[in-house]
Amino acid sequence: DTGVSQNPRHKITKRGQNVTFRCDPISEHNRLYWYRQTLGQGPEFLTYFQNEAQLEKSRLLSDRFSAERPKGSFSTLEIQRTEQGDSAMYLCASSFGDVNTEAFFGQGTRLTVV
Amino acid sequence: GENVEQHPSTLSVQEGDSAVIKCTYSDSASNYFPWYKQELGKRPQLIIDIRSNVGEKKDQRIAVTLNKTAKHFSLHITETQPEDSAVYFCAASKAGRRALTFGSGTRLQVQP
Repeated sequence: DTGVSQNPRHKITKRGQNVTFRCDPISEHNRLYWYRQTLGQGPEFLTYFQNEAQLEKSRLLSDRFSAERPKGSFSTLEIQRTEQGDSAMYLCASSFGDVNTEAFFGQGTRLTVV
Repeated sequence: GENVEQHPSTLSVQEGDSAVIKCTYSDSASNYFPWYKQELGKRPQLIIDIRSNVGEKKDQRIAVTLNKTAKHFSLHITETQPEDSAVYFCAASKAGRRALTFGSGTRLQVQP
């Protein structure tokens, strides 16, 4: 499968625990995005990388959230001290090029905080 | 920041009828407008997109129109089929800000 890959697909965690998600973009894509999607809503932007540089972070991304993309390849999204409000689908997307081009989405990681 | 509003939130049509979904955006600098289809439990997938230098784009049964003056764009699906049933999201972005701002989605149900 040469598409965007996310792991794990599902994560159930207790409130207060830390969780980390991984995204492997399409190999030649230099741009990588994280979005969060709650039931019945469109994806909300969290953060964006161009290669290894994190160029933009949403105000939705509190201090408990951190994302990295070492070496400009895969990316991780960590949530510390999870809260019930963090329960959502976390989607990763990647794209290539200098102008607005198609963003390819992964299947997401569904987080449930109990 | 950009705000994208989408309506209707649900749309039910008979197979073979047309479906129209409308979106408005707030940032006049937005210049890229994709539409994504998301089936239950699956990833969003791009079905068509349009850039601000054109007013209309068509791909088989799907078309998108853009009115920059009014800051709205629409998705048109003709000859709907049951497999068109899904949630459709419009989105907008602009040069210099690669992230997409999504609408809240339209659940389309095509009745056989």
